[in-house]
Amino acid sequence: GDSVTQMEGPVTLSEEAFLTINCTYTATGYPSLFWYVQYPGEGLQLLLKATKADDKGSNKGFEATYRKETTSFHLEKGSVQVSDSAVYFCALSRGNNNDMRFGAGTRLTVKP
Amino acid sequence: NAGVTQTPKFQVLKTGQSMTLQCAQDMNHEYMSWYRQDPGMGLRLIHYSVGAGITDQGEVPNGYNVSRSTTEDFPLRLLSAAPSQTSVYFCASSLGPAVYEQFFGPGTRLTVL
Repeated sequence: GDSVTQMEGPVTLSEEAFLTINCTYTATGYPSLFWYVQYPGEGLQLLLKATKADDKGSNKGFEATYRKETTSFHLEKGSVQVSDSAVYFCALSRGNNNDMRFGAGTRLTVKP
Repeated sequence: NAGVTQTPKFQVLKTGQSMTLQCAQDMNHEYMSWYRQDPGMGLRLIHYSVGAGITDQGEVPNGYNVSRSTTEDFPLRLLSAAPSQTSVYFCASSLGPAVYEQFFGPGTRLTVL
């Protein structure tokens, strides 16, 4: 079945460091790919998405490119801030139903 | 707009008890979903609804019931609670299927003793 694998955390970075969180997926067909973010004590929020191969999603300085050849959707940010500390989830959705598969989440801590 | 609201925020149950987790949204979204979040496993879909009167099972439906009598409300019922149902439960809503942005509630932390 469909699944998402993301790099295990936790990840700890200093402010202004470069961030990469790896995400790979297994799915038949052409899924849509997402990054959701969960700040402490809150529900998840959509960070960015891409719906077809080679699309780049971007938001708040974060970027991810849908790579069908490597079945990947890695999240990157050039300069992280303390306010980026959160748990990041990679997810996929395939087809016209409401079934969404999430990765296990990666906790990011950014220190001043 | 309140968005997606969930009650209660915290709940402790004994094994075998039943309860209902409430979820409401004021965005007129047709699609609503229930997820559980467990450490190291991300979110897993329990049940979802594509409109009033229409529900379907997700990845982990056993032990849970849902109904959708109105567009706004989507309660999740635990029929006979088990320790394996200790988790954080999130309700979400969206305009359409999961390719659309899902809006999540703040969650309910449930402990079953």
